[in-house]
Amino acid sequence: GAGVSQSPSNKVTEKGKDVELRCDPISGHTALYWYRQSLGQGLEFLIYFQGNSAPDKSGLPSDRFSAERTGGSVSTLTIQRTQQEDSAVYLCASSLESSYNEQFFGPGTRLTVL
Amino acid sequence: AQKITQTQPGMFVQEKEAVTLDCTYDTSDPSYGLFWYKQPSSGEMIFLIYQGSYDQQNATEGRYSLNFQKARKSANLVISASQLGDSAMYFCAMREGGGNNRLAFGKGNQVVVIP
Repeated sequence: GAGVSQSPSNKVTEKGKDVELRCDPISGHTALYWYRQSLGQGLEFLIYFQGNSAPDKSGLPSDRFSAERTGGSVSTLTIQRTQQEDSAVYLCASSLESSYNEQFFGPGTRLTVL
Repeated sequence: AQKITQTQPGMFVQEKEAVTLDCTYDTSDPSYGLFWYKQPSSGEMIFLIYQGSYDQQNATEGRYSLNFQKARKSANLVISASQLGDSAMYFCAMREGGGNNRLAFGKGNQVVVIP
């Protein structure tokens, strides 16, 4: 079946603008995760959804970052007033509900803030 | 504190030879899971292998095996019979128990397979 999809694949924006990144998880996967990958910081956890609720959002770096998930499926990560340090690849992953199932990753969105 | 440590520099491996990628981890949780992912230059993260902390045997998946030494808190990945397509970054990750589902990743190991 289809894997995790993300859009857009690339996003270039100007400092101070808001951006929305979208993730479509694998059908039937109740858990959804956002990570960020940058040269300086490696792979960092941002937020985890179980269904539509986010029991762990401790990785969000500031209140400019928010995420939601609707219908237990699609998720949107929003970054307000983007800064240059937000430039990174944003990866989405999904997994079955069980804690010890592997997470399947999407291709990522490369965000560049000028 | 860093939970996953991968400190090897970039590695060149001869095709058809085996390569071992080191990973050490830090946790006080008795229940945890260890994962290895491959990230080729195209960028996608590909799941390779999983080891649970209570698993009695080392995990194996095709040419991948995990050398799990619990007392030493190490979870080294062994790739046997390297292929050119194995050239990639390899990430070790850990998920701790207690309902915590996030993965903590190491910095990665770069592997280049040469013919």
